[in-house]
Amino acid sequence: SQTIHQWPATLVQPVGSPLSLECTVEGTSNPNLYWYRQAAGRGLQLLFYSVGIGQISSEVPQNLSASRPQDRQFILSSKKLLLSDSGFYLCAWNRGAPQETQYFGPGTRLLVL
Amino acid sequence: GNSVTQMEGPVTLSEEAFLTINCTYTATGYPSLFWYVQYPGEGLQLLLKATKADDKGSNKGFEATYRKETTSFHLEKGSVQVSDSAVYFCALSDRGNQGGKLIFGQGTELSVKP
Repeated sequence: SQTIHQWPATLVQPVGSPLSLECTVEGTSNPNLYWYRQAAGRGLQLLFYSVGIGQISSEVPQNLSASRPQDRQFILSSKKLLLSDSGFYLCAWNRGAPQETQYFGPGTRLLVL
Repeated sequence: GNSVTQMEGPVTLSEEAFLTINCTYTATGYPSLFWYVQYPGEGLQLLLKATKADDKGSNKGFEATYRKETTSFHLEKGSVQVSDSAVYFCALSDRGNQGGKLIFGQGTELSVKP
């Protein structure tokens, strides 16, 4: 069976500090991978998606970036965090076929102070 | 473009009450439709899905029927429990969506009181 992991689970960072969030998927190969952000009391905002190693599509221009160094690893980064980067970050995957179900990780709660 | 509209929350019900959360969509093609549930502090879990018109998705007592004529996918449950308290998201995936992206509604918070 497939599982998706995210870490860390919770992170408190000062404004201006760097960020690295990691997501890994087990039990499948060549998945599509997604990063979402959920601000408090709001819906989901798609940040990035990837259909293969090294292939990143950005949905919202901002101070975040994503990388996919390995087939089942997806990393969300920032060089300098802003207060507005606080939120709940969710990673998801699907099998890459059209209209496939997406499966979500447990999320990382980020608080920027 | 594709979009999903859900009824605004929060929705507050007493235990054993009937639940309906409305969801309507706009899509250029023939999308698959999904309901996800998010319990407090957790990621999203797939609740149910339907891939073509008149399909009924069901799980854990929840049901939703894909209605192409009304472009709707309303979520229903006959008797809610306190444990159903969560945020519910309606979503669609269209064959034309690049990268297999899901389009989400804004979410509806459900609170069930004993």
